[in-house]
Amino acid sequence: DARVTQTPRHKVTEMGQEVTMRCQPILGHNTVFWYRQTMMQGLELLAYFRNRAPLDDSGMPKDRFSAEMPDATLATLKIQPSEPRDSAVYFCASGSQVTEAFFGQGTRLTVV
Amino acid sequence: GENVEQHPSTLSVQEGDSAVIKCTYSDSASNYFPWYKQELGKRPQLIIDIRSNVGEKKDQRIAVTLNKTAKHFSLHITETQPEDSAVYFCAAAAPGVAGNMLTFGGGTRLMVKP
Repeated sequence: DARVTQTPRHKVTEMGQEVTMRCQPILGHNTVFWYRQTMMQGLELLAYFRNRAPLDDSGMPKDRFSAEMPDATLATLKIQPSEPRDSAVYFCASGSQVTEAFFGQGTRLTVV
Repeated sequence: GENVEQHPSTLSVQEGDSAVIKCTYSDSASNYFPWYKQELGKRPQLIIDIRSNVGEKKDQRIAVTLNKTAKHFSLHITETQPEDSAVYFCAAAAPGVAGNMLTFGGGTRLMVKP
């Protein structure tokens, strides 16, 4: 059963610290999305990769957020420095041009 | 870019009744419209999708309709059950330079009362 794997599942950190979230997309998928969700609200797109190239990161605060895909099996979302308003659930999803997007279980981030 | 509006934001129905959630989109080039269900504390999961070459699709108690001219699509759940209680998200995707990027609506919290 192919799944998108995200680590860590939970992260509590102090304001100002660096946070790195990781995502392993489903093998064979060439698109990766990062979404942020707060208090069961909407899914806010942060970044979008196709074939490891960043195609859209207009929803991401550039001053503190960065997203990369060092290889086809790993996508990372980094926040530096983190702030309390960054507290949310961060979802990674992967897909392809012929499949829907499959979501990972999310990383619940709490910045205190 | 694409903009997806979803209504209502909350919906409460009695068990056995039908529920309808509506979405509108702005980009006439959008050609793929999935619906996701998210239960409390879990990931969004696809429940049904439709492509722009069809007007309606059914899967047991759920159905989706698409009106390309009006740029809106709807989710219909019949004979609702308590386990249908969740947040539902619609999305639209358009081909282009950025590929099939999904833009989500704001979500509808559906509560089915026993």
